[in-house]
Amino acid sequence: EAGVVQSPRYKIIEKKQPVAFWCNPISGHNTLYWYLQNLGQGPELLIRYENEEAVDDSQLPKDRFSAERLKGVDSTLKIQPAELGDSAVYLCASSARTSGNTQYFGPGTRLTVL
Amino acid sequence: GESVGLHLPTLSVQEGDNSIINCAYSNSASDYFIWYKQESGKGPQFIIDIRSNMDKRQGQRVTVLLNKTVKHLSLQIAATQPGDSAVYFCAETSGNKLVFGAGTILRVKS
Repeated sequence: EAGVVQSPRYKIIEKKQPVAFWCNPISGHNTLYWYLQNLGQGPELLIRYENEEAVDDSQLPKDRFSAERLKGVDSTLKIQPAELGDSAVYLCASSARTSGNTQYFGPGTRLTVL
Repeated sequence: GESVGLHLPTLSVQEGDNSIINCAYSNSASDYFIWYKQESGKGPQFIIDIRSNMDKRQGQRVTVLLNKTVKHLSLQIAATQPGDSAVYFCAETSGNKLVFGAGTILRVKS
């Protein structure tokens, strides 16, 4: 079974530029999560989707961050405009009720903002 | 690879020895706990989980112990191997919200 797929793996941009990350969850997983991981810290939740609905976006900085999961499968996380402090790893995870809601993570996208 | 753990505690063990990684959690209402392993350049990988109605659970070479009285979780790795070198995170969850603790770097010396 394929795991969570993310692209790109690495992205380097200049500040004030836009950037987008893509995630394809494990097949059949209805719940999708985006996390931010700073160096030396654990992941922190940005947003959680149940199918196509964002059910928890309380930690998403909505002035510059947006996300969508239009068909309830793939998801895109966007930052516009990016700031220096956005440099981090952006992780996507997915889970299913049939698997006890255990979250399985993708490899992440490492963003560097110059 | 990335250099993680600028401020993370580090556990160094000899290959073949047992490792014990500890974690204190904060929410007494948390009912589900997970240990994740994260290697350099990769996402967290599920190792083992335990629900709050248990105090011990065993997997292949790994055991998780839960002490709800003092809100403490530990991960024991038997016969530690070089491939076990990674950052280990405990995570607690109540409902669908997963909260990660501070990680611990495990270094295995050959």
